[in-house]
Amino acid sequence: EAGVAQSPRYKIIEKRQSVAFWCNPISGHATLYWYQQILGQGPKLLIQFQNNGVVDDSQLPKDRFSAERLKGVDSTLKIQPAKLEDSAVYLCASSLERVSSGELFFGEGSRLTVL
Amino acid sequence: AQSVTQLDSQVPVFEEAPVELRCNYSSSVSVYLFWYVQYPNQGLQLLLKYLSGSTLVKGINGFEAEFNKSQTSFHLRKPSVHISDTAEYFCAVRLSGNTPLVFGKGTRLSVIA
Repeated sequence: EAGVAQSPRYKIIEKRQSVAFWCNPISGHATLYWYQQILGQGPKLLIQFQNNGVVDDSQLPKDRFSAERLKGVDSTLKIQPAKLEDSAVYLCASSLERVSSGELFFGEGSRLTVL
Repeated sequence: AQSVTQLDSQVPVFEEAPVELRCNYSSSVSVYLFWYVQYPNQGLQLLLKYLSGSTLVKGINGFEAEFNKSQTSFHLRKPSVHISDTAEYFCAVRLSGNTPLVFGKGTRLSVIA
């Protein structure tokens, strides 16, 4: 079974530029998550999708971050314009069920450096 | 809201020695508890989880954890560590409802030969 795929693995941009990350979850997983992991900290949820609908985006900085999952499969996370404090690893995860007992499967992450 | 505290940011230990990584959570309702491991430049991998039932949970790679409701703890243990166990370990919690996984700040385990 293929895992969660993310791209690009690494991205370096200057502040005020834009960047987009792509995630393809495990086939059949209805729930998709984007987490931000700043160096030295645990992952923090940015947004949670159930199929193509948003379940929780309360911690997404909506003035600069946006995410979509148009067909309920793959997803894109965009940052525009980027700030220095956006330097982090962006992790995508998926799970089979909406219920909270389900395990989350993580991709390898996309490491963003903002100069 | 629930939160997770990992008391040690770094734990160095000699190879073949036992190790315990501490995790405490705060929640006014019942929760599901998880331990994830992150090897360098890789994603998070589930080690074990507690949903209900026996408070002693066994996971992969010889790790186990014990849920202690009275102390709101979920400490991770391994009786004998290997060099390959060097990684970052994250404790995480979810409420019984449909809420996101909340992570602690992580503990970096360094196994010394």
